[in-house]
Amino acid sequence: EVQLVESGGGLVKPGGSLRLSCAASGFTFSKAWMSWVRQAPGKGLEWVGRIKSETDGGTTDYAGPVKGRFIISRDDSRNTLYLQMNSLKTEDTAVYYCTTVVTWGNGTTVIVSS
Amino acid sequence: DIVMTQSPDSLAVSLGERATINCKSSQSVFYSSKNKSSLAWFQQKPGQPPRLLIYWASTRESGVPDRFSGSGSGTDFTLTVSSLQAEDVAVYYCQQYYSIPPTFGQGTKVEIK
Repeated sequence: EVQLVESGGGLVKPGGSLRLSCAASGFTFSKAWMSWVRQAPGKGLEWVGRIKSETDGGTTDYAGPVKGRFIISRDDSRNTLYLQMNSLKTEDTAVYYCTTVVTWGNGTTVIVSS
Repeated sequence: DIVMTQSPDSLAVSLGERATINCKSSQSVFYSSKNKSSLAWFQQKPGQPPRLLIYWASTRESGVPDRFSGSGSGTDFTLTVSSLQAEDVAVYYCQQYYSIPPTFGQGTKVEIK
């Protein structure tokens, strides 16, 4: 079964950091381009960023609001995607999903609040 | 960034009737080398992650019921549910993936009348 499972969410103060993980199974993770998408409470979907497969260069792209603060990485030996979030702001409060576009995890909740 | 605008924001449709959602992009998302538009539709039910329904504007994802169809090209697109079922109550989003960043429409909430 193709599955993505996010973890690492929680409550963090503004200016703090958090690292999310996404464990993949049931498909060849190393070949997949992976993305993070977030959804603020009661709001729509917002693309956060993506990382290409290593064979396609392994490069990353980010949305404007997170560029310079968030870093996406991957460990193909562990079939795991990461999202390092630094300098967090209250507006980063959201459910964070990892996705291949076809497959989505159930999300992990990040709350940025003092 | 390409702005995606959906209409209406919400609609109520009787069971078995047709539901139509429109999506307009601020610039063309037509990918000439593939002769296709880089437009996807997602369905999100309450408390669930999004589900990919349609990609390349009109290609149905595996397992998606054939009552869902997508059409359009360039800047104007439509998602049609030909015969609304109770399980289709959800918010629907269009997304362009023609350029980075991929951008979503604001969503259209579909309810039963």
